[in-house]
Amino acid sequence: QVTLRESGPALVKPTQTLTLTCTFSGFSLSTSGMCVSWVRQPPGKALEWLALIDWDDDKYYSTSLKTRLTISKDTSKNQVVLTMTNMDPVDTATYYCARMSSGCYYFDYWGQGTLVTVSS
Amino acid sequence: AIQLTQSPSSLSASVGDRVTITCRASQGISSALAWYQQKPGKAPKLLIYDASSLESGVPSRFSGSGSGTDFTLTISSLQPEDFATYYCQQFNSYPALTFGGGTKVEIK
Repeated sequence: QVTLRESGPALVKPTQTLTLTCTFSGFSLSTSGMCVSWVRQPPGKALEWLALIDWDDDKYYSTSLKTRLTISKDTSKNQVVLTMTNMDPVDTATYYCARMSSGCYYFDYWGQGTLVTVSS
Repeated sequence: AIQLTQSPSSLSASVGDRVTITCRASQGISSALAWYQQKPGKAPKLLIYDASSLESGVPSRFSGSGSGTDFTLTISSLQPEDFATYYCQQFNSYPALTFGGGTKVEIK
């Protein structure tokens, strides 16, 4: 059974760095063709892909946010970590981690999401 | 970047209706498109991948079609549990992945 769970602070202040952890089970991120992504959704708005890490430790970022994002994995702990620097109120959103398999083109399993509010 | 435009942005329909949602890409993406369903307060759920392949466990009333720039998601007979927001997502420009703006299906 594949599960993913996001964890991190519910509230961050403007200019701070956000660190989110995705803890997963039911698959291995060292398996060829496996990836984990982060996707966010501001309240009442559409989904936005942020970053992806694959089984080979290759990392990819949204063009518009790449200077602020870092994604990493700890295969032994079954975790993927996303950091986002210089947080702003417009970054208030529900942040999801999602598994991608079969070549990492679409998201077949999602975490429940974690709401992050940016406010002083 | 490839843009995806969904239409309509919202629609009202009755149980049993046939519903069609459109997703148009700003440039050709072959069949590199997926569809998701999202209910309020929940994570998205994969319905369709590769434009027309039904994800395991998804009811057969859902179908996808199209290639190039124009795609459709069809619900053949709308059920009460299908009232939700639907998103398309392209992966032709992998790893630059993009979603459409969403289509909210409401009860008439």
